[in-house]
Amino acid sequence: DAKTTQPTSMDCAEGRAANLPCNHSTISGNEYVYWYRQIHSQGPQYIIHGLKNNETNEMASLIITEDRKSSTLILPHATLRDTAVYYCIVSPSYNQGGKLIFGQGTELSVKP
Amino acid sequence: DTAVSQTPKYLVTQMGNDKSIKCEQNLGHDTMYWYKQDSKKFLKIMFSYNNKELIINETVPNRFSPKSPDKAHLNLHINSLELGDSAVYFCASSQTGWEAFFGQGTRLTVV
Repeated sequence: DAKTTQPTSMDCAEGRAANLPCNHSTISGNEYVYWYRQIHSQGPQYIIHGLKNNETNEMASLIITEDRKSSTLILPHATLRDTAVYYCIVSPSYNQGGKLIFGQGTELSVKP
Repeated sequence: DTAVSQTPKYLVTQMGNDKSIKCEQNLGHDTMYWYKQDSKKFLKIMFSYNNKELIINETVPNRFSPKSPDKAHLNLHINSLELGDSAVYFCASSQTGWEAFFGQGTRLTVV
C-alpha cells in the first residue's frame, strides 16, 4: 500500500479554514484517498474520499492535485469541535483488496 | 440508535484470563473489522469479515480469535491475556469499504 506523509500537528483559529496537507507520491492508479478523523476518546470518523476529482460534502472539501501525488483536506470554517487527529489514507477500494491502514495523522488544534 | 456498538466499554482483567468483546452493527453492512489502538495511538487492523467470512487476518497472535455468528455481529475472543494486550479495541463496519463506521472502542487493561 502507498504510504502517506502528514505534518505531525497544526493549529487553526476558530472560524478560519483549516487546510490539512497530505503527500502520497507513490499512489497507484487504483488507489483512493480517504480522510478520517479521531476526536479524543472516540472512534475514527469518516470524512471524505476521492480518486481524481475534487470532492465536497457537508463536512469538508478534498482537493487532489492533478498528478495525484498530494491532497489537501479543507475544513471551511473550523470550530473547537474539529480539534482531532486527522488521518490521510490511500488504498484500493475494498473489492480490490483495499483496507484502511492508519498512519500517524495530523493533530489539529482549533483555538478560540 | 447506535450504528456500531461495542461492549464492554472498559475491561480490566488479570494476566492469563480469557475475555471477549462484543460488537454489533445495525447498518446492514456486509463487512466488519477489528482494530487495535496501542498506547502510542497507532491504529492497526486486526481482522476483517465479509458476510461472516474471514477476509483479512493480519499478523495477530493465535490467542485472538474473531467469531461472526451472523452478519451483524463480530466478537473478539482473547485467550491467555498478556500485559501487551492492553489497548483500545475498535470494531467497525462498512458496505463499500469507503465509509467505515467505528464503534466507541473498548479499553482493555491487563494487570
